[in-house]
Amino acid sequence: GIQVEQSPPDLILQEGANSTLRCNFSDSVNNLQWFHQNPWGQLINLFYIPSGTKQNGRLSATTVATERYSLLYISSSQTTDSGVYFCAVERGDSSYKLIFGSGTRLLVRP
Amino acid sequence: ETGVTQSPTHLIKTRGQQVTLRCSSQSGHNTVSWYQQALGQGPQFIFQYYREEENGRGNFPPRFSGLQFPNYSSELNVNALELDDSALYLCASSEEQGITDTQYFGPGTRLTVL
Repeated sequence: GIQVEQSPPDLILQEGANSTLRCNFSDSVNNLQWFHQNPWGQLINLFYIPSGTKQNGRLSATTVATERYSLLYISSSQTTDSGVYFCAVERGDSSYKLIFGSGTRLLVRP
Repeated sequence: ETGVTQSPTHLIKTRGQQVTLRCSSQSGHNTVSWYQQALGQGPQFIFQYYREEENGRGNFPPRFSGLQFPNYSSELNVNALELDDSALYLCASSEEQGITDTQYFGPGTRLTVL
């Protein structure tokens, strides 16, 4: 099956710093989504980004489907950005399921 | 707020028991998916329902079953609970069939099996 690898697994930042999270996937995908899971378990969709670049405030994401990777950029990090960031993909055969990576655990210190 | 609710928030069961978890999707969302998230891992797909019919299933045994109702609510039933079933159970809804648009997740039900 398709493999989704995220790096780094853990990240500690000082408030105000910038960071880049990476997601590599092993096969063609129909779509890709980035999620943030807060400490209480709530998953919030950040980007639906099968290809191209999108920006939403301090966050932006880029997916290069032909090279099978996606990047999530966080600028001017805040303590509320802490949590786990997941990349999830749907296989190219429209399997109707999201396959999640193991996540990047981010801690932003004041 | 995603507009997706789940109940109960927490649940403790013993091995061998049966459990029903509930999810209420946003109005107009015809697709609901269920995921199991073990501690420290990413969510794993259990199954998806579209307009009250199962639309796809992950690598979970038949003792995991589901129902979707016309009022945008759904259930996940697990029979013969095992210790490894302890996890956060998440439901996600979307308007269209499959994963063609944004998935909205509920806050989850944390199940502990003793």
